Amino acid sequence: GAGVSQSPSNKVTEKGKDVELRCDPISGHTALYWYRQRLGQGLEFLIYFQGNSAPDKSGLPSDRFSAERTGESVSTLTIQRTQQEDSAVYLCASSLGSSGSLGEQFFGPGTRLTVL
Amino acid sequence: DQQVKQNSPSLSVQEGRISILNCDYTNSMFDYFLWYKKYPAEGPTFLISISSIKDKNEDGRFTVFLNKSAKHLSLHIVPSQPGDSAVYFCAASSTTSGTYKYIFGTGTRLKVLA
Repeated sequence: GAGVSQSPSNKVTEKGKDVELRCDPISGHTALYWYRQRLGQGLEFLIYFQGNSAPDKSGLPSDRFSAERTGESVSTLTIQRTQQEDSAVYLCASSLGSSGSLGEQFFGPGTRLTVL
Repeated sequence: DQQVKQNSPSLSVQEGRISILNCDYTNSMFDYFLWYKKYPAEGPTFLISISSIKDKNEDGRFTVFLNKSAKHLSLHIVPSQPGDSAVYFCAASSTTSGTYKYIFGTGTRLKVLA
């Protein structure tokens, strides 16, 4: 399909291990976002990529979190030395991001991360 | 500091009646607002948006109202249907900031009773 895809869909890891989450945005979308949703809470902004501009990392909760994006394609969110409080659904979204199309973000299905 | 607030975590409405979901924001720089719907185990899907130059936007059964002076927006669904049962998130952005970063509320879980 042509939607946003994320992998893996589920990830169970042990405390202290590193994890890498992947997002494939919709082709042609220049903007890409990562969010986190903890159980019973709203969407928490993590990081935003827009074209070749420097990413907005203002939402990353600690230096254990990092993300990269290759051009306008795949993005990976890496969490080092995972902690139990990192357990959440990590959602990726993409949008056209141009000034004439402000609005809809298209979300992937999310990766459910469980840290034991 | 929660810049976008949805103070009602849940709402139950009878099928056929109106559902009203509320959202408040604190940042006066926000000038673009969206509503998303989320089913369990799925990503949120876009419903409707409104720019601050308007005070109302309508799309079928969904209408969003914006009260800039009160920094308040609401989503009206009429008539409500059982398939509308989901979590609804409002989101806000500042188009003058030069980015397309959105701040989301915590969501309201709507249950439409048949």
